[in-house]
Amino acid sequence: KNEVEQSPQNLTAQEGEFITINCSYSVGISALHWLQQHPGGGIVSLFMLSSGKKKHGRLIATINIQEKHSSLHITASHPRDSAVYICAVRSGGSQGNLIFGKGTKLSVKP
Amino acid sequence: NAGVTQTPKFRVLKTGQSMTLLCAQDMNHEYMYWYRQDPGMGLRLIHYSVGEGTTAKGEVPDGYNVSRLKKQNFLLGLESAAPSQTSVYFCASSYSRGDDEQFFGPGTRLTVL
Repeated sequence: KNEVEQSPQNLTAQEGEFITINCSYSVGISALHWLQQHPGGGIVSLFMLSSGKKKHGRLIATINIQEKHSSLHITASHPRDSAVYICAVRSGGSQGNLIFGKGTKLSVKP
Repeated sequence: NAGVTQTPKFRVLKTGQSMTLLCAQDMNHEYMYWYRQDPGMGLRLIHYSVGEGTTAKGEVPDGYNVSRLKKQNFLLGLESAAPSQTSVYFCASSYSRGDDEQFFGPGTRLTVL
């Protein structure tokens, strides 16, 4: 069983829809990261969180440490949001390595 | 600032050939990482470095060697390439090993025939 599971694997939405991507993990963590991989391959960090909720523009990330679950929400989705969204957790304390999920491929249609 | 750059962007090797991938960062980051990304799998850590002159093994280090002779550069070497090393390789860097954001390079697509 993978230590980091994302769902769904693929997601197609219409422009303007509210989108939720889920991440569940099975290990103790010190932090969870959400990253975005553009169609061209580049990877950028979106959020790092260890508790609660963070918001940046139309993106919101939440984490429930007790339930070992995080969600990434995109409000008013746009075709430019089309990308692969990757969840990664740091276990083994603050010096542990990142463990990455397989990613969720999002396609937003105009 | 260029951020994190990788050289080359694409490469095709024959089995048994050797090559070196270069990663450079201009953010004065202490920590640098090499990952590989394969279809249907998450990014996996090959080797990492916590500072100039230091390297450590990650999750999948076999068949690779690394060096960090200068703080801004992190080299990944394949001494005898195998088809199983066909992958996209990403370099990343961060200011600290803690829960700092990692900055990624654009990737190198390597094919081993």
